Amino acid sequence: AQSVSQHNHHVILSEAASLELGCNYSYGGTVNLFWYVQYPGQHLQLLLKYFSGDPLVKGIKGFEAEFIKSKFSFNLRKPSVQWSDTAEYFCAVRDTNAGKSTFGDGTTLTVKP
Amino acid sequence: DTEVTQTPKHLVMGMTNKKSLKCEQHMGHRAMYWYKQKAKKPPELMFVYSYEKLSINESVPSRFSPECPNSSLLNLHLHALQPEDSALYLCASSQAASGGLFNEQFFGPGTRLTVL
Repeated sequence: AQSVSQHNHHVILSEAASLELGCNYSYGGTVNLFWYVQYPGQHLQLLLKYFSGDPLVKGIKGFEAEFIKSKFSFNLRKPSVQWSDTAEYFCAVRDTNAGKSTFGDGTTLTVKP
Repeated sequence: DTEVTQTPKHLVMGMTNKKSLKCEQHMGHRAMYWYKQKAKKPPELMFVYSYEKLSINESVPSRFSPECPNSSLLNLHLHALQPEDSALYLCASSQAASGGLFNEQFFGPGTRLTVL
């Protein structure tokens, strides 16, 4: 069974600080990888996705993520966070064979103005 | 149209009520999903429909009854719910339930359910 681990449960940063949120997964097959953001009281929004090709993917709002296959990791980064980035961030892995998606437990990001 | 819509946005119901949640997509997707999300927790898969047939039931209690009347619609019928069933219920769709790259899920905004 696949699993997703997000190491940081709660991250607190000041505006303009750099962000990196960790995501590791365990699964031997081919996967699609996603990062979602959920602002307070709102629904899930897709930040970025990796299917194949260039392991460095760029998403919306200045976010990017790097897929490192040898480390089973898909860490999310942003060079300079803003107060409006305060939200819950979920990493998700989708098994391309069975089609099931597994979400990590999420990381709460708080950006202080 | 790359949107998954869900109605109602909010629902408050008693433990003896019967209600239904609705989900609709017009992207031609043949797989549709129900997830349950508690506050500050990740979405948990409940059901998967593939080509209008139930393909996955993640051991969900029978007080939740899914229905897929056609390829664009997905319902979740609720009966005799408990207060602990209060959560955000998310619908999603994808081109197919299994197999293939580029098969991402599109999520709806959810229905926030409160059971009194």
